[in-house]
Amino acid sequence: KAGVTQTPRYLIKTRGQQVTLSCSPISGHRSVSWYQQTPGQGLQFLFEYFSETQRNKGNFPGRFSGRQFSNSRSEMNVSTLELGDSALYLCASSLAIGAGELFFGEGSRLTVL
Amino acid sequence: TQLLEQSPQFLSIQEGENLTVYCNSSSVFSSLQWYRQEPGEGPVLLVTVVTGGEVKKLKRLTFQFGDARKDSSLHITAAQPGDTGLYLCAGAKGGSQGNLIFGKGTKLSVKP
Repeated sequence: KAGVTQTPRYLIKTRGQQVTLSCSPISGHRSVSWYQQTPGQGLQFLFEYFSETQRNKGNFPGRFSGRQFSNSRSEMNVSTLELGDSALYLCASSLAIGAGELFFGEGSRLTVL
Repeated sequence: TQLLEQSPQFLSIQEGENLTVYCNSSSVFSSLQWYRQEPGEGPVLLVTVVTGGEVKKLKRLTFQFGDARKDSSLHITAAQPGDTGLYLCAGAKGGSQGNLIFGKGTKLSVKP
């Protein structure tokens, strides 16, 4: 079956701009989580969605937001980009919250200039 | 803040050697997972350990969860170049597997 699909794979933005990243989970998976990965901080949890509702949120500023649609696809948005937002943004899906294995996508690599 | 400390941060060894990677925390986790990530890809789950003292084997990889569920180790026997990658441990809080606390990883390089 198809894996987790993230788009775009690579993008370059400038400070102050905003960006939207998309994630299509594995068919049948209803839970989607987002993580930010940087060399200095590693993987840090952003948020988790299930049934179109945000269930958990990490310690990130309000510039980071997300949503989930009725087909379980998810988007995350970062507004007023800062240089420090440059990172690999990873999406992971699972059958449901607490349902075991997370399946990660290949990530969207964001560079902020 | 719950933290997972991984050591060593970098490891470069020759094919055939054994190695152990450690993952330590001052906090108790309901479960702990190990992932492997290759360049340009997302992490892939290797194993989940749930019970204190649990030992799981996956071919040449042996995973152990500490009795107090605060630490874990990954031992690789007779490492091969295909084992090269970033090894990440991650702890789960409560019932939510989607909200994981990750260690910063151990970057393993196995030279032929």
